[in-house]
Parts: sequence; structure tokens; C-alpha cells
Amino acid sequence: GAVVSQHPSWVICKSGTSVKIECRSLDFQATTMFWYRQFPKQSLMLMATSNEGSKATYEQGVEKDKFLINHASLTLSTLTVTSAHPEDSSFYICSASIAEHTQYFGPGTRLTVL
Amino acid sequence: AQSVAQPEDQVNVAEGNPLTVKCTYSVSGNPYLFWYVQYPNRGLQFLLKYITGDNLVKGSYGFEAEFNKSQTSFHLKKPSALVSDSALYFCAVRDQAGTALIFGKGTTLSVSS
Repeated sequence: GAVVSQHPSWVICKSGTSVKIECRSLDFQATTMFWYRQFPKQSLMLMATSNEGSKATYEQGVEKDKFLINHASLTLSTLTVTSAHPEDSSFYICSASIAEHTQYFGPGTRLTVL
Repeated sequence: AQSVAQPEDQVNVAEGNPLTVKCTYSVSGNPYLFWYVQYPNRGLQFLLKYITGDNLVKGSYGFEAEFNKSQTSFHLKKPSALVSDSALYFCAVRDQAGTALIFGKGTTLSVSS
């Protein structure tokens, strides 16, 4: 149980375009979902926390207009990278939590911006 | 502010030997502590957590961790390492009031045959 999926697993896009990444909890309803960014050989950096039906809470230094988060249901959150640039290339990982404290992570999405 | 330190970038052990991956934390109040493992180009897999109760926590794949409040540590251990344990290990903490996890920088475990 507690499976989280992400789609796509890898996306390559041109600079200036927008990319949407989906995060789904497959077998549970997640009260809260989180979006992280990971650079090669580095730790995960929390970008934002989202609760279903409300606006996401962004971490300091994360541009909310660039990284749009929508948490439309208890099983789906989306991250849209708007007007992507090469410096946005990274590994984006989502996680979902239920009441028991534990976060369950998706497999990650690798974004490459040319 | 919450923080997690993993002092070792890499830990090398021979297969069959015990392994320890170190983690210390700083948090106000009682901590919730977690260990996750990440294989190349994959997401994180949950190994174990300490919320309350017994200081020795047993988790997946034979791993265990000991919560030491006086030393503010939560070291990950396994009695006998396997080559397949080679991966990147992350320690994480959150306080009782928060929801987000704060991760350490990660420790690469390399188990040689």
C-alpha cells in the first residue's frame, strides 16, 4: 500500500515552454502533498506544501508564479514549471502523507530544459 | 530551526560486515525521525521512523535505528550488509508542529563483495 506515482518520469522541453508534472496517490487519500527538488548528488529541497482545496505554501526563495501547484483532489497534485529555463533542469519529487506522519514518495520526474 | 546532519558523504563496508550510517538532528521539542533510501534515478523509499516509544526501531530490509535523545542522534544500522544495500541514504526530521520533512545531505553507502 501507500503508492505514489508521478508522470512523466522524464521530460525534455525547449526553453520558454511550460511543463506539467502530475503526482498521484494510488491507494490512499493524501491530506497533504509535498514537492521537492533534487540536484545531482544533493539532498532534497522542499519547494512547497499543498493541501487539497487550498493554496500551496511555498518555501522561501521558491517563485510561486514560476512553480504553479494545484491540489485539486485528495489523490492528485500537479506542479507546472512555467517558462522553463535550463537552470530549472532538475529531478522533481513529490510525496504524499496521511495522518500517520510518514511521507510516501513518488519515483521522481527528471526535467531537462534545452 | 530544524536541521539534520549526516557527517559522512560516503560509507564503505564489506559484504557481511555491520554498517552504520550516522545522523544527528536539531529540533525544538520532540522529534519525528525518518530514514529513507534512494536508488539511482528513483524516488525515495521509506525505511523506518521513530515517533515515540522504544528507542530501537526496526524497519525494512533488516535495517534498524536507535534514537538517542541525549546525543540527539538517530544512526541507521544493519548487522550484516548486502551488496544490494548500496544506495543513497537520507535521514530526515520534523517537529511535532510541522508537516514538512527536513532532509540531511545524504550518505552514499557502498557495499563491496
